[in-house]
Amino acid sequence: EDQVTQSPEALRLQEGESSSLNCSYTVSGLRGLFWYRQDPGKGPEFLFTLYSAGEEKEKERLKATLTKKESFLHITAPKPEDSATYLCAPRGTDKLIFGTGTRLQVFP
Amino acid sequence: ETGVTQSPTHLIKTRGQQVTLRCSSQSGHNTVSWYQQALGQGPQFIFQYYREEENGRGNFPPRFSGLQFPNYSSELNVNALELDDSALYLCASRDRNRDTGELFFGEGSRLTVL
Repeated sequence: EDQVTQSPEALRLQEGESSSLNCSYTVSGLRGLFWYRQDPGKGPEFLFTLYSAGEEKEKERLKATLTKKESFLHITAPKPEDSATYLCAPRGTDKLIFGTGTRLQVFP
Repeated sequence: ETGVTQSPTHLIKTRGQQVTLRCSSQSGHNTVSWYQQALGQGPQFIFQYYREEENGRGNFPPRFSGLQFPNYSSELNVNALELDDSALYLCASRDRNRDTGELFFGEGSRLTVL
């Protein structure tokens, strides 16, 4: 059975305090792993797609990495505007399998 | 280039009623998926449409049904509403021919069932 686990569930950081979010997965027929950002009451906003182990992608203060069983979202020197829920979603056959997300709060 | 748009943004129904949610896909996208997101949870896959046919379905009962139109827009219909159907319903689109993988979401329709 396909499974996705994100940790931690919630994370509170001081502005400038770097950290990492984890996504562990077991998905058959994996066709990429997606990261999304979701603000309260809004739809998920696309961040990255990773396709193969060892691949890395960066966008501003965010960097996503992928291994065969895990993906990490590293946040360097976060700002309050980075506060959101970050969702990991491996893609199986024609569908994304979402984790429950990590709710990130960054305080000034 | 317009993004994915959904309507209505919010609606309230009572148990047993029926609801129709609508989605216009992003320009150039031919595949539409629907997801249900309960409060505090990640989105759950309902089904996907391509070339006006259902092309993949998650673990949802038959009272969840959909349509895709020639212009690639889509509808989600839910019959015999239950309290647990209260959720944010998300529509997402992509270009299946390109298969770059990027799936873009709309802002969702918030359904409350009383």
